[in-house]
Formats: sequence, C-alpha cells, structure tokens
Amino acid sequence: EVQLVESGGGQVQPGGSLRLSCAASGSTFRRYWMHWVRQVPGKGLVWVSRMNLDGSVTDYADSVKGRFTISRDNAKNTLYLQMNSLRAEDTALYFCIRDLSGKDDYWGQGTLVTVSS
Amino acid sequence: DIVMTQSPLSLAVSPGEPASISCRSSQGLLHSNGDTWLDWYVQKPGQPPQVLIYLGSNRASGVPDRFSGSESGTDFTLKISRVEADDVGVYYCMQGLQTPYTFGQGTKLEI
Repeated sequence: EVQLVESGGGQVQPGGSLRLSCAASGSTFRRYWMHWVRQVPGKGLVWVSRMNLDGSVTDYADSVKGRFTISRDNAKNTLYLQMNSLRAEDTALYFCIRDLSGKDDYWGQGTLVTVSS
Repeated sequence: DIVMTQSPLSLAVSPGEPASISCRSSQGLLHSNGDTWLDWYVQKPGQPPQVLIYLGSNRASGVPDRFSGSESGTDFTLKISRVEADDVGVYYCMQGLQTPYTFGQGTKLEI
C-alpha cells in the first residue's frame, strides 16, 4: 500500500527557512512525477511545484519561484521542498502528491508550516 | 494561468438524490495526445484530497460508479447519481494541462 509521509513543518519567523520532506513507501517512487500543493486551513488548494522522474525538470508557481527548491532522492524514496525567505503568506498545510492528475494520483496527509514572528 | 471556475460553491442534497457540480476553464484542456487534463477531487473533513475522476471522465480506482465526469468544450461536470451521507466534503476541479496547475474554488456538499 502506498504511503506518503510529510515532515519538517513547524513555526518559523518571516525570512526564515524550512526544509520539508516526503517519504514514500514502496519501490515505485522513482516512476512518478512528484508535486507539492498547499492549502491555507479552511481555504482552497494551490499548486506549488513539481519534479519529473529523475529530477531534471522542475516547475514552480510564480509566488514561490526563486525562494523554494524542489528536489528528490530516488535512492531514499524521498521528495524535498527547501523553502527560503519565508513570508506570512506561505503559511499553509503542505501536501506531497504522487502522479498529480494521473491514474495513480495519491496525496500525503500534509505538514503544517506557520510563518509568524 | 488557466482559471477554473466552479459552481455552485455550496450544495445541499438529500440522500438518494442526484447532485451536479460544474467547472469551467478559461481555455481548452485538450492535450495534443487526445487526453483532457481535467480532474475532480473530494476533500472529506480532516483528510487530504483524493482523486475521483482523472482525465475528464475516468473514475479512479475504488471510486463508485455513482460518480461520473463529463465535458463539453471548456465546461466540465461532476455528477453523483445518488448522494450518500459519506459524500460530504468539498469537491474541487483541477486542470493539469499546463503549469501552474490550477484548482477551482471548491464546492461544499452537505447532506
């Protein structure tokens, strides 16, 4: 059974950094594009970033471009999101998703990031 | 960016009755490979979203056949033939044709 477990969230001051991790179970991690989507509690869903199978292709939402970096380690079945220069508006629940918009679409439970002084 | 507009934003339905949610995209979602990159998700209280319909009309694994997706140009519809109590949640459409992927505002379904 697939499991995606996000970690690394927490409270950070504006301008600070956090690195989120998403650990995937099973041996199929390397076969999928991986994505991050965020959601302010009680609000809608916002796509953040994606990475292809071998890490050679990345895309970002304009709101995070230049501040966030997506990466993956296929040997460790783990996806990362390095978040720098954090702002109050980055406060959200961050979901890791396998194969977004595909037949094997699957979401983790999310990790909460709070940017506040 | 492609804008996704859902309606209605809230919907109250009695058990056993049908429900329909609409989603309109600001541009076509048809890929050159023939796929339509429109998906439907439901987010039940306290849970992450889960896919119901992918590529316009394909039910995801384990999704009951009460759920169906259809399209007409840039207009997309999610239909639930007979609503059950467990269907409570917020329903989102999402386009995956181009980045940034974009979601509709969400439709809250109440029973």
